[in-house]
Amino acid sequence: DIVLTQSPGTLSLSPGERATLSCRASQSVSTTYLAWYQQKPGQAPRLLISGASSRATGIPDRFSGSGSGTDFTLTISRLEPEDFAVYYCQQYGSSLWTFGQGTKVEIK
Amino acid sequence: EVQLVESGGDLVQPGGSLRVSCAVSGFTISSYAMSWVRQAPGKGLEWVSLISGSVGSTHYADSVRGRFTISRDYSKNTLLLQMTSLTAADTAVYYCAMTASHYMSFDYWGLGTLVTVSS
Repeated sequence: DIVLTQSPGTLSLSPGERATLSCRASQSVSTTYLAWYQQKPGQAPRLLISGASSRATGIPDRFSGSGSGTDFTLTISRLEPEDFAVYYCQQYGSSLWTFGQGTKVEIK
Repeated sequence: EVQLVESGGDLVQPGGSLRVSCAVSGFTISSYAMSWVRQAPGKGLEWVSLISGSVGSTHYADSVRGRFTISRDYSKNTLLLQMTSLTAADTAVYYCAMTASHYMSFDYWGLGTLVTVSS
């Protein structure tokens, strides 16, 4: 099974700063099958990015995804107060879906 | 508008069984792949099971295979998850989610239902 490792575990930043979140896979993942989600406390996850770089409907363009093979990145260009949350990457392969352990973006 | 509403979460004893449901509106349940994803208290997300759209093939995580069964009730446009031989490790919020495209991501989510396994 493919394991996704996200880093850092916690990212402490100020509003307006740039956030760079990493997701590393134990084996190569098709860019088609790499997604990112945002989850706020007490809420369900929300899809941000699918296909490694395609923003979901209604997602602001300050969110962008990139990467290929085993290394993927979610970038938030300028953090807004509502962006402080936990972010998960997710992959699909061989009829199995797996998530990374999450990166918490907190206010510094 | 797509809406997913889970129900059926409860406190159940170890070794017991429980069925949780996800009522779907805004689309026909057989049109898209549907999944259950769970989240233990204070932990990350874990995919549990998926049933594909038209064909209805089913897939399970190793942690639940042989104990959980995913199915659809077409008359009620509802996704079901029958859980048996429950242990404390199954304690979690169970979310249903819909896959809307070939990206195989989880595009729409319900609010979740809490399953607690404890004596």
